[in-house]
Amino acid sequence: SQQGEEDPQALSIQEGENATMNCSYKTSINNLQWYRQNSGRGLVHLILIRSNEREKHSGRLRVTLDTSKKSSSLLITASRAADTASYFCATERGTALIFGKGTTLSVSS
Amino acid sequence: EAQVTQNPRYLITVTGKKLTVTCSQNMNHEYMSWYRQDPGLGLRQIYYSMNVEVTDKGDVPEGYKVSRKEKRNFPLILESPSPNQTSLYFCASSPRTSGLELFFGEGSRLTVL
Repeated sequence: SQQGEEDPQALSIQEGENATMNCSYKTSINNLQWYRQNSGRGLVHLILIRSNEREKHSGRLRVTLDTSKKSSSLLITASRAADTASYFCATERGTALIFGKGTTLSVSS
Repeated sequence: EAQVTQNPRYLITVTGKKLTVTCSQNMNHEYMSWYRQDPGLGLRQIYYSMNVEVTDKGDVPEGYKVSRKEKRNFPLILESPSPNQTSLYFCASSPRTSGLELFFGEGSRLTVL
């Protein structure tokens, strides 16, 4: 069963623009993670934010977490064509990571 | 290089012909898991393992078996594949059994005719 749900499903932007994608989840969490998947390839871990954190940065990535709204956002600044990929949020349920269905980001040059 | 290796990467087979997808990690991770990814359904966990000889079902275990005889290997076995098992399969491992951070293999695309 899906825990997280990303929005929008698809996003198209130009190089240099910022990309924002959102994740909503249903139950309380200890942490929330974001992963990237290039077409047909394995997922790559991007960033983990704990439930007691509100914001976290990693390079051009900025993740926020609002536990009162049960939502998180991933901001990619100054997007590049190489950022074209699907992005997934994931939360833990027992001994499993449950993934949303993802946001497909397309960055054109 | 730290990695999770799956084989085969691509396979076309026929209904009922047993097959095994191998998965090996070189990071000494305790936790390993199998997912399948299908359009519109996202990633769903098939089985996971917390340690050697400890395996348990995920959300969609029907039609699959796994074993964990060694820490590094976690093969996925399809005893009698059916067309509804046509999918993209991912093996993943994590250094921790809680606060999971998954390292994924490159995927195995399986087609069952």
